[in-house]
Amino acid sequence: GENVEQHPSTLSVQEGDSAVIKCTYSDSASNYFPWYKQELGKGPQLIIDIRSNVGEKKDQRIAVTLNKTAKHFSLHITETQPEDSAVYFCAASMSGGTSYGKLTFGQGTILTVHP
Amino acid sequence: DTEVTQTPKHLVMGMTNKKSLKCEQHMGHRAMYWYKQKAKKPPELMFVYSYEKLSINESVPSRFSPECPNSSLLNLHLHALQPEDSALYLCASSPKAGDGDQPQHFGDGTRLSIL
Repeated sequence: GENVEQHPSTLSVQEGDSAVIKCTYSDSASNYFPWYKQELGKGPQLIIDIRSNVGEKKDQRIAVTLNKTAKHFSLHITETQPEDSAVYFCAASMSGGTSYGKLTFGQGTILTVHP
Repeated sequence: DTEVTQTPKHLVMGMTNKKSLKCEQHMGHRAMYWYKQKAKKPPELMFVYSYEKLSINESVPSRFSPECPNSSLLNLHLHALQPEDSALYLCASSPKAGDGDQPQHFGDGTRLSIL
């Protein structure tokens, strides 16, 4: 089955710096890669996603890049703010078959943004 | 605010009790999911319902019994749980489960404690 590895496990930055979180996946059939932000006491919140026919996607301060050949994708947060502090999860899934959209998650990155 | 509503937010129960977790969404989504999340870990898929039919059961013990009464509601019936079942139980929904590139939206979960 699919395996997703996520690095780093913890990331500490100063407010205004950029943060980058990287994930690799094992199954070349995976074609959908969402990123979730989970704050304390809350459920995971979808912040951005990318499909395999796209190499990069941006939404304000957040961007995701995908390298299908190398089977890795990354989350980039620019101009970080204290409210960006949370746990971030990457995930991968594939269309069709009997997968039914099953998400395979990375182990998570605890991002701390210091004022 | 999340568009997937879960009740109750917290639940404490004994090992001999029977209780139910509820999940509701009004986004017209036709796929609904139950996940279990332990502290500092990613969510783990338990069940997937697609068009009100159980499509995936990730070898979950029979003390957990899912039910999908209609396309907006998802229940998880609990009976004779063990202390190791204490966790955050998350519900999610997506437009369709058959297409793996459908975004899943999570509720804020039910924090379950087994005494």
